[in-house]
Amino acid sequence: QVHLVQSGAEVKRPGSSVKVSCKASGGTSYTYSISWVRQAPGQGLEWMGGILPLFRITNYTENFQGRLTITADDTTNTAFMELKNLRSDDTATYFCARVQMAIPFWGQGTQVTVSS
Amino acid sequence: SYELTQPPSVSVSPGQTARITCSGDVLPDHYSYWYQQRPGQAPVLVIYKDTERPSEIPERFSGSSSGTTVILTITGVQAEDEADYHCQSADSSGVPWVFGGGTKLTVL
Repeated sequence: QVHLVQSGAEVKRPGSSVKVSCKASGGTSYTYSISWVRQAPGQGLEWMGGILPLFRITNYTENFQGRLTITADDTTNTAFMELKNLRSDDTATYFCARVQMAIPFWGQGTQVTVSS
Repeated sequence: SYELTQPPSVSVSPGQTARITCSGDVLPDHYSYWYQQRPGQAPVLVIYKDTERPSEIPERFSGSSSGTTVILTITGVQAEDEADYHCQSADSSGVPWVFGGGTKLTVL
């Protein structure tokens, strides 16, 4: 069973950046993907992008092109999501998910609040 | 907008069967997943790879698929099943994902 632990809540100013971490433990395998999903207050789940670390391939939705960077560090089993040029509508809970053998394991979520 | 289509709400009485549908052109070619989400909590996986159920999920949850539609069935609904349910699809590589808009299940 894979367990994912995300970094803590953040409060950011508009125009700044946030970087959220996601550390995996237990039952991790060499072949996996990482996705980042966000959920704005009262809204559904929105896939932001993902990475296939084995092939160093990233895939971002158009909504976040240019602002989003997803990376993964195999040595520490930690993935990162950095979102730049934050706006008020980026206020949301951000989740990481690690997929191994087509089974997704989710982190607990990180609340990011963007406010002046 | 969402690439998968779910009904916004479904209501059932305790003990009845709830069926939540999810439709999308990508579904015949990709795995489908279902998540239960209670307010303020992270999504919990209840069905993966179309029909598989995690060991910790009660047997009353099941998944099925037919063409461009997948269905989450909850047999003998209990009050604790009241939650939002989200469908999701992904190919075998795990990337990219698409989601439905979510369905609020109300237990009357």
